[in-house]
Amino acid sequence: SQKIEQNSEALNIQEGKTATLTCNYTNYSPAYLQWYRQDPGRGPVFLLLIRENEKEKRKERLKVTFDTTLKQSLFHITASQPADSATYLCAPPGSSNTGKLIFGQGTTLQVKP
Amino acid sequence: EPEVTQTPSHQVTQMGQEVILRCVPISNHLYFYWYRQILGQKVEFLVSFYNNEISEKSEIFDDQFSVERPDGSNFTLKIRSTKLEDSAMYFCASSLRQGGETQYFGPGTRLLVL
Repeated sequence: SQKIEQNSEALNIQEGKTATLTCNYTNYSPAYLQWYRQDPGRGPVFLLLIRENEKEKRKERLKVTFDTTLKQSLFHITASQPADSATYLCAPPGSSNTGKLIFGQGTTLQVKP
Repeated sequence: EPEVTQTPSHQVTQMGQEVILRCVPISNHLYFYWYRQILGQKVEFLVSFYNNEISEKSEIFDDQFSVERPDGSNFTLKIRSTKLEDSAMYFCASSLRQGGETQYFGPGTRLLVL
């Protein structure tokens, strides 16, 4: 079955540093992959979408890479701020093209001032 | 900026009771979804809906669950006879594009079944 794995351990970094989060997927090849931010008790908020033919995508301080050979996506936040503290979710679609998203467990990022 | 809204924000119900969770998707979106998240666990897909039909449903979405778009703006999730294990946060989402690209999520309804 399709599996999404994110580092379940919390990531603690100092303000101003770059945070790098990892998402690995197995048993299929998604055409794209999305990253979401989730704050406690809130719904996921869409951040970025990267397609299989795009190696890298940027939006302000965010950068996502997509390596279809390694079956991995990396999510970077540069010049991190305490306000970036949240759980970040990796979500590729299911193989059926009906819009179903398969979410990873998420990685919680804590940025310390 | 347009957003997905959900009501109620919290719902407490007795086991065996019916609940209806309501969502108003973004107005020009065509694809609608329900997900749930049990406390401390990952977000799980329940159902996708397009053109007044279910496109896909998960194993969780059994006969006790149903969805409806009763008018041009609302999208509802009904649980006919709630169980304790239905306690979770339920999220509605909508998207403009096929295939689930760029789904916008609502704030969720926290359902507690006693």
